[in-house]
Amino acid sequence: ILNVEQSPQSLHVQEGDSTNFTCSFPSSNFYALHWYRWETAKSPEALFVMTLNGDEKKKGRISATLNTKEGYSYLYIKGSQPEDSATYLCAFHSGAGSYQLTFGKGTKLSVIP
Amino acid sequence: GAGVSQSPSNKVTEKGKDVELRCDPISGHTALYWYRQRLGQGLEFLIYFQGNSAPDKSGLPSDRFSAERTGESVSTLTIQRTQQEDSAVYLCASSPGVGAGGYTFGSGTRLTVV
Repeated sequence: ILNVEQSPQSLHVQEGDSTNFTCSFPSSNFYALHWYRWETAKSPEALFVMTLNGDEKKKGRISATLNTKEGYSYLYIKGSQPEDSATYLCAFHSGAGSYQLTFGKGTKLSVIP
Repeated sequence: GAGVSQSPSNKVTEKGKDVELRCDPISGHTALYWYRQRLGQGLEFLIYFQGNSAPDKSGLPSDRFSAERTGESVSTLTIQRTQQEDSAVYLCASSPGVGAGGYTFGSGTRLTVV
């Protein structure tokens, strides 16, 4: 059983604050690490697919880093806005021939105006 | 279609009844996945289709759960004799093929068994 852990489980921040959260995953048999953003009653939306150790990806105020050797990824949000409120999921994809993503439980972010 | 469609969006059913959940993937996507999220849990893999075949059904929690896919398109997930522990958000996703990167998710079916 693959273990994908996300922390913290939930987070409340003030509008304008920057924040970050963590995804840890097995460091062996790594293929890709996915980040999704899931707003209530909507579809999870793909943010990043990260494949290389040391990868850094950025999309607007959101960025992510990847360390495959130690098995962790950080997601950063700069200057949080109320519309950033959502659950952020990471998913581990093992092996090039594997089809299954193993998801963490997510970090629920609430941005207070 | 433009995205992954799921229906119904919400379903409340009585314990013991059968339910059928539908997923319409992105046209041309050969791979289709079902996941569910129960309260306080992570997304739990249920089943994966490549074309109309399901190479891995190991995530289905019991023999009350079954799924099929026809025409390399629509998939239905059927839960027979529903139990309260079946209450969850059931998410469907599709992708162009095995190992091809991320999924495109539908908005899910929220199933409540009372």
